[in-house]
Amino acid sequence: GEDVEQSLFLSVREGDSSVINCTYTDSSSTYLYWYKQEPGAGLQLLTYIFSNMDMKQDQRLTVLLNKKDKHLSLRIADTQTGDSAIYFCAEMPSGYSTLTFGKGTMLLVSP
Amino acid sequence: NAGVTQTPKFRILKIGQSMTLQCTQDMNHNYMYWYRQDPGMGLKLIYYSVGAGITDKGEVPNGYNVSRSTTEDFPLRLELAAPSQTSVYFCAIGQGLRNTIYFGEGSWLTVV
Repeated sequence: GEDVEQSLFLSVREGDSSVINCTYTDSSSTYLYWYKQEPGAGLQLLTYIFSNMDMKQDQRLTVLLNKKDKHLSLRIADTQTGDSAIYFCAEMPSGYSTLTFGKGTMLLVSP
Repeated sequence: NAGVTQTPKFRILKIGQSMTLQCTQDMNHNYMYWYRQDPGMGLKLIYYSVGAGITDKGEVPNGYNVSRSTTEDFPLRLELAAPSQTSVYFCAIGQGLRNTIYFGEGSWLTVV
């Protein structure tokens, strides 16, 4: 079955760039997503990338996809304290309509 | 949260009690989902539905039931609540394959 792995914790200083990494195992064409969860809140869709893309940029967010290594990363430029949250990587394998989530990476941004 | 409404937001249940978590959407999306989130464990799929009258089990369906009589509503029923069902429950909606899924704000459930 599908399995999505993420590092559990990342700490950065305000103004630095943050890079959150994710690996997945499904080798078929897939769709990959990044969600953000602030304390006590639901999941907010940040961005997504299709498997036929290598990179997607959306304002301060850059998603890189390495299909050969099944590795996905989310880069947040100029990280702010408001970016402190848990970030979830999720995949939707080809032919499926459900998401498989990683356990989430807690990002802590210090002033 | 993309037109997904969950009620109640917080609930404490005693072991053995039953309850229903409500989920309603106003986006006319065919696909609806129930996930549970345990600390440090990410989200696990409980049940999902691809349209009115159709439901399917996810990864962790035991102890739960669902129904989908309308496009708008997808209630999650807990029968004989157990402490292992203490969790945060998220309802989500989507438009199916190759589409994004949007989440409600969550329902915090404690079974004591």
